[in-house]
Order: sequence, then C-alpha cells, then structure tokens
Amino acid sequence: DGGITQSPKYLFRKEGQNVTLSCEQNLNHDAMYWYRQDPGQGLRLIYYSQIVNDFQKGDIAEGYSVSREKKESFPLTVTSAQKNPTAFYLCATDDATSKEQYFGPGTRLTVT
Amino acid sequence: DAKTTQPTSMDCAEGRAANLPCNHSTISGNEYVYWYRQIHSQGPQYIIHGLKNNETNEMASLIITEDRKSSTLILPHATLRDTAVYYCIVRVAPSNQGGKLIFGQGTELSVKP
Repeated sequence: DGGITQSPKYLFRKEGQNVTLSCEQNLNHDAMYWYRQDPGQGLRLIYYSQIVNDFQKGDIAEGYSVSREKKESFPLTVTSAQKNPTAFYLCATDDATSKEQYFGPGTRLTVT
Repeated sequence: DAKTTQPTSMDCAEGRAANLPCNHSTISGNEYVYWYRQIHSQGPQYIIHGLKNNETNEMASLIITEDRKSSTLILPHATLRDTAVYYCIVRVAPSNQGGKLIFGQGTELSVKP
C-alpha cells in the first residue's frame, strides 16, 4: 500500500445518493489516479491528475467527479448519474523518478 | 498505449519456477513493460518493469525478447502466497503526458502444494 490511504474499506449507500471516496498520499507524488474494478475484470481508469488543480477524464469518467486542491488528496465523488456504481475503487500514485505506480488498499462501494 | 495478451490461467507447483508469458507485439519504442499482481480484494502490487534489458529484483525476473514483442515474468521459487492475478502492462513512463495503466484480464496463477 505504500503511503496511500483509502477510506473507508467498505461503503454502503442507497441509490440516488452521491458519495465521496477518500484518497490521501504522503509519498509526495505529483500524479494520482482513480480506477474502478468490477468482478473478474481488470482495472479501468476513471480520472487522473498530474498536478494540483488539474485533472483529466479517463476512459469511464461519466457519473464521476474529482478535485485536486492539495497534492496529498484526490477525492472521488460517485454521483447519482453513475448507472452502475457498485464496484471496487482503487486510487494510485505515480513516482516520476522510479517510474513505479503504487496502489492504495481500495474501497468497495455497494449501492442498493 | 499498446495492448497485451496473456493466458487466462496457469498452474505452478510450489517451489518450482513460474513463467508467465505476455505478448505485446504493438509496443512502441518509448513504452515500458510493467508487471503487477493482485491478490483477491487488495490493490495491485508492483513487481517489476523494464524497457529492453532483462531485469531482476527481489521478487522476480523479467525477460524481454530482443524485438520487444513479448516478455516473460519469472518467479524463481513460487510459494502459495504467490497465488494471484498477474497483469502485464505496457505504458509510457510518467511524464507531462501522464502515465495511466491499461489493465487487461491478466493471468490467474494458482500455486499448488
């Protein structure tokens, strides 16, 4: 997990509610990423941010929003517009020097 | 980013070497080969990466063919704890253009006693 914290580990919400997933890092990495994983599938990129106050859509950004007000934090909001929000959400950071990408422990979101 | 092809699943006997192949025939000259693994319900764990030379670290060895169109991850003495899904990924190195990872289905490695 390195220095990446995701909380909570399990999250339950009712359909129609927005929910924000936390991702905090103390690795001093510039780039941060949000991925989504569905059962038996690989990871898909939702959003990424290379520097503070800047972020780009990934492959499946619809129904999600992010902010990057601080280098250490990259929260992801799952909005009510996301059709199938139940999934395992993973946050990651990039070390530009070593070229390694580190992942957090993940948050499993269940929407009923 | 180039795509990769991996076998869906493999078995390996405990204590033996596990050799996981990956094809990346459309890899570009500035793309690296990365390997990650994921144990159920955990975040992916970085294993190793390389550009064109073979690489070795405390976890594994990475053998890249001379034409860079394929590679093999070698776990020299597999243990039961190596049972996981292994992802082979090609990507450009982190830069101002970003360094997102594109995950395929991976290879589910089962290490058996």
